[in-house]
Amino acid sequence: EVQLLESGGGLVQPGGSLRLSCAASGFTFSSYAMSWVRQAPGKGLEWVSVISSAGDTYYADSVKGRFTMSRDNSKNTLYLQMSSLRAEDTAVYYCAKRKTLPGSTVAGYFDYWGQGTLVTVSS
Amino acid sequence: QTVVTQEPSFSVSPGGTVTLTCGLSSGSVSTAYYPSWYQQTPGQAPRTLLYSTNTRSSGVPDRFSGSILGNKAALTITGAQADDESDYYCVLYMGSGISVFGGGTKLTVL
Repeated sequence: EVQLLESGGGLVQPGGSLRLSCAASGFTFSSYAMSWVRQAPGKGLEWVSVISSAGDTYYADSVKGRFTMSRDNSKNTLYLQMSSLRAEDTAVYYCAKRKTLPGSTVAGYFDYWGQGTLVTVSS
Repeated sequence: QTVVTQEPSFSVSPGGTVTLTCGLSSGSVSTAYYPSWYQQTPGQAPRTLLYSTNTRSSGVPDRFSGSILGNKAALTITGAQADDESDYYCVLYMGSGISVFGGGTKLTVL
């Protein structure tokens, strides 16, 4: 059974930093692309970033230059390092497994989701 | 900045059929955008319904179907049930690693 367990959320001041983790199990983690998706309170879902199985990363414009996504295949863990945080980064952050299409490293869809971790940016 | 558009809300009667759409602020949606659809109830993580326009995810009942209608992707629910009352999101793959969610449609079954 695929399981994704996010951790690391909490309250942080504007301008601060936070690192989220996503522990994966139930599949061969190193073989799959992974994504972060967030949802601000009362708002819709927003794609944040994706990392291919090879470690190539892509980001939404809203977080580019501030967030860094990485993976440790030896620990089956995904990370999102967030810096220069703003109030508008307040959201539940979901880790999602990416099912890629044949011939692509990141094109595809999200097939499994974690339960999310809440990040609150406030003074 | 590309915007993916969805109806903010929709209602359907129990047993009825409803079609939700997913468009682009500029241009037409085609299968090349690999449209996918997700269902979310309040306080829960999203659930994957459809991918690659019309392929159902494992365990999704066949009353959920996907298509391209005109210049939009579409999610059709046939024989709506009370527990279909949820938020529905489409996602389009824009290339270069970028995915974009639509704003979501709140579906009411009444």
